[in-house]
Amino acid sequence: DAGVTQSPTHLIKTRGQQVTLRCSPKSGHDTVSWYQQALGQGPQFIFQYYEEEERQRGNFPDRFSGHQFPNYSSELNVNALLLGDSALYLCASSGIQPGRREKLFFGSGTQLSVL
Amino acid sequence: GENVEQHPSTLSVQEGDSAVIKCTYSDSASNYFPWYKQELGKRPQLIIDIRSNVGEKKDQRIAVTLNKTAKHFSLHITETQPEDSAVYFCAATDNNNDMRFGAGTRLTVKP
Repeated sequence: DAGVTQSPTHLIKTRGQQVTLRCSPKSGHDTVSWYQQALGQGPQFIFQYYEEEERQRGNFPDRFSGHQFPNYSSELNVNALLLGDSALYLCASSGIQPGRREKLFFGSGTQLSVL
Repeated sequence: GENVEQHPSTLSVQEGDSAVIKCTYSDSASNYFPWYKQELGKRPQLIIDIRSNVGEKKDQRIAVTLNKTAKHFSLHITETQPEDSAVYFCAATDNNNDMRFGAGTRLTVKP
């Protein structure tokens, strides 16, 4: 049973560029949440996708957008990259059963460096 | 929205001693409080969680307590071992599942 998988593991971009990060949820999970984790900080909630729609959004600008596909996998897109976007981007999935939806299982993350 | 504060930011204990990490939350609607352990370069992993209808939960050497009135919850690790060294994050969420994390506590267990 594969856990949450993310790609790529590392990425280097320059300011102004655009980036797409990908996530496949754990088998049996239908909800995907994205987090940004700066060095030495806790994960910051970006948004959550369920049934191919953005259901919740944290305090991130519109440069951050996402998508969820029918197979529950998800993408995070960041436009017009800034130096401050350099961080570990974590994807977390959660399950369908009532009372289990909150239990987040994290992927290993994508380390994004913006130069 | 929910705001979670965590302290201390760093904690150093001798092997065998206990460690306590405390968190406070702001949103009285929050009803689920997990704790995650993140080792260097690895993903956060759920180690224990508690729901608002329970005051305490224990799993071997770790336990979590919740005080809904005061809006704070704590992680207790007894008989600490070097492999407990990691960064620990508390989190809180309401039924909307918009989970907010604390800033983390770096625990070092000295052999």
